[in-house]
Amino acid sequence: ETGVTQTPRHLVMGMTNKKSLKCEQHLGHNAMYWYKQSAKKPLELMFVYSLEERVENNSVPSRFSPECPNSSHLFLHLHTLQPEDSALYLCASSQDPEGIAEQFFGPGTRLTVL
Amino acid sequence: QKEVEQNSGPLSVPEGAIASLNCTYSDRGSQSFFWYRQYSGKSPELIMSIYSNGDKEDGRFTAQLNKASQYVSLLIRDSQPSDSATYLCAVKGGTGNQFYFGTGTSLTVIP
Repeated sequence: ETGVTQTPRHLVMGMTNKKSLKCEQHLGHNAMYWYKQSAKKPLELMFVYSLEERVENNSVPSRFSPECPNSSHLFLHLHTLQPEDSALYLCASSQDPEGIAEQFFGPGTRLTVL
Repeated sequence: QKEVEQNSGPLSVPEGAIASLNCTYSDRGSQSFFWYRQYSGKSPELIMSIYSNGDKEDGRFTAQLNKASQYVSLLIRDSQPSDSATYLCAVKGGTGNQFYFGTGTSLTVIP
């Protein structure tokens, strides 16, 4: 595997389900990000992890819970989601969290909440 | 006021022409600027990064930055149909770890 991978690629869940999105980066980077991309809206930064510590949490509802067990893996745990949470969820990584280095994106998880 | 603004388009240019994409940002303290290309159904792919005023060229792509005017642009020379995509402007905020993206400009290169 190379670059940034995400699983699953597609997910359909009910509002009462609990699921997790997984991201893995094979680039040796030390910062990882979760973004939400909805139609006709700009990419929204949700969480930033630098050296496995959360450094940004942009007022994301508590039904989204991130986890970063090590510098290569990032999870987004989902529970009691709403239909408006349906979107493309993108993971990215960069060499440094200060923003000087570019971010590389994974293929995304297309989430549909019924 | 949006942090990063782009003309959503669609922008159409004939094959071989120059495509010009523009972006303005609100945070004067911003230091890092990026252009991403996103094909339909795919994730964003980095094209260019620029950090200082002036032009930066990479093949057919040229990024231009004017911090005084808070303006970033991307020029695509000799446009090809394969350049048809949505182009996202991204700006690293002046403080913290915030990244702001524009809504993107849809470009169509007509053969």
